[in-house]
Amino acid sequence: GQQVMQIPQYQHVQEGEDFTTYCNSSTTLSNIQWYKQRPGGHPVFLIQLVKSGEVKKQKRLTFQFGEAKKNSSLHITATQTTDVGTYFCAGGRVSSGNQFYFGTGTSLTVIP
Amino acid sequence: NAGVTQTPKFRILKIGQSMTLQCAQDMNHNYMYWYRQDPGMGLKLIYYSVGAGITDKGEVPNGYNVSRSTTEDFPLRLELAAPSQTSVYFCASSYSTGTGNTIYFGEGSWLTVV
Repeated sequence: GQQVMQIPQYQHVQEGEDFTTYCNSSTTLSNIQWYKQRPGGHPVFLIQLVKSGEVKKQKRLTFQFGEAKKNSSLHITATQTTDVGTYFCAGGRVSSGNQFYFGTGTSLTVIP
Repeated sequence: NAGVTQTPKFRILKIGQSMTLQCAQDMNHNYMYWYRQDPGMGLKLIYYSVGAGITDKGEVPNGYNVSRSTTEDFPLRLELAAPSQTSVYFCASSYSTGTGNTIYFGEGSWLTVV
């Protein structure tokens, strides 16, 4: 079945430090989306990557899609307390009817 | 700006009871989904629908049923609740599943089976 893993599962950082979460799929993805879920909240869409090797930036967030379209990363520069939450990647596969399968998530804690 | 609306928000069920989680979206989206999220875990797809009258199983469909009689509504039915179904349930929708289509989530339904 579809396997989308994320590492690390948990990350604690001091405010101002950088943070990176990695997403790895056992199969080639058609595209990948990233979501953020605040504690007690619901997932909220951040961005979608489609092309091999694509890099997108949103202010302090940088998203990358691997050349083989099997992995992705989210990097946050100079974390702030508002970055607290769980970050999920969701991989889409054409062979699965374009359904998105969510990764296991990385829970980020930012210590002020 | 309702988006995706789920009810109830919280529910406690006894083992063997049945219930329906309601989900409605007002964005005229074709695709609707039900996910469950166990504590500290990711989202698992239970069922999805590509349009009215069409439903399909996701990763973890056992113990659940769905129907899609209208574009707007996608209820999830638990027939014989079990403790393993204690989870947070998210309904979601998207216009399609092609590139550039965001999945919009409801606020979640917290279900405890005791």
